[in-house]
Amino acid sequence: RKEVEQDPGPFNVPEGATVAFNCTYSNSASQSFFWYRQDCRKEPKLLMSVYSSGNEDGRFTAQLNRASQYISLLIRDSKLSDSATYLCVVTPLGLYALNFGKGTSLLVTP
Amino acid sequence: NAGVTQTPKFQVLKTGQSMTLQCAQDMNHEYMSWYRQDPGMGLRLIHYSVGAGITDQGEVPNGYNVSRSTTEDFPLRLLSAAPSQTSVYFCASSDSGRGDEETQYFGPGTRLLVL
Repeated sequence: RKEVEQDPGPFNVPEGATVAFNCTYSNSASQSFFWYRQDCRKEPKLLMSVYSSGNEDGRFTAQLNRASQYISLLIRDSKLSDSATYLCVVTPLGLYALNFGKGTSLLVTP
Repeated sequence: NAGVTQTPKFQVLKTGQSMTLQCAQDMNHEYMSWYRQDPGMGLRLIHYSVGAGITDQGEVPNGYNVSRSTTEDFPLRLLSAAPSQTSVYFCASSDSGRGDEETQYFGPGTRLLVL
């Protein structure tokens, strides 16, 4: 069983929609949690860190539930430019060894 | 700052050839790592380093060697290329987490095709 599980999608949503991605992880020792964004044929880039208290960055909200080992990302008012693959990432060892989910593909359509 | 740089961007090898993928960072980061990304597999850790002179294996180390003689550079060597090593390779760096930066930054990747 992979340590980080994500729904691969694809999620096809119209502009302006709200979309939620979920992620579960198996290693309860994981210390840090992130959502990365990856555009086609490009490197992953940090979207946001995820904290137990929940955190928000503009249209993006991330939540962490340590008891359920569950991470979520909510995107409100989707834009065409949000189309990308979203990667759930945890760090059971440290910042030198990220565990990636396979990614969830999002396509925002006009 | 250039961030994390990787060379070459693309490479085609024949089975059995060897080569070195270069990675450099100018952020004085302690940690550096190599990942490969295959379709449907996500990114998987090959090798990592927590400082100059210190390296260790990740999830998929077979067929690869690394060394870390300086803080800035972390080359990945393919000893005898195999078609199964066809992939996109990403190098990443981060500080130790004690500072303000708290995650890894990735280079643009090297696309490798082994025939």
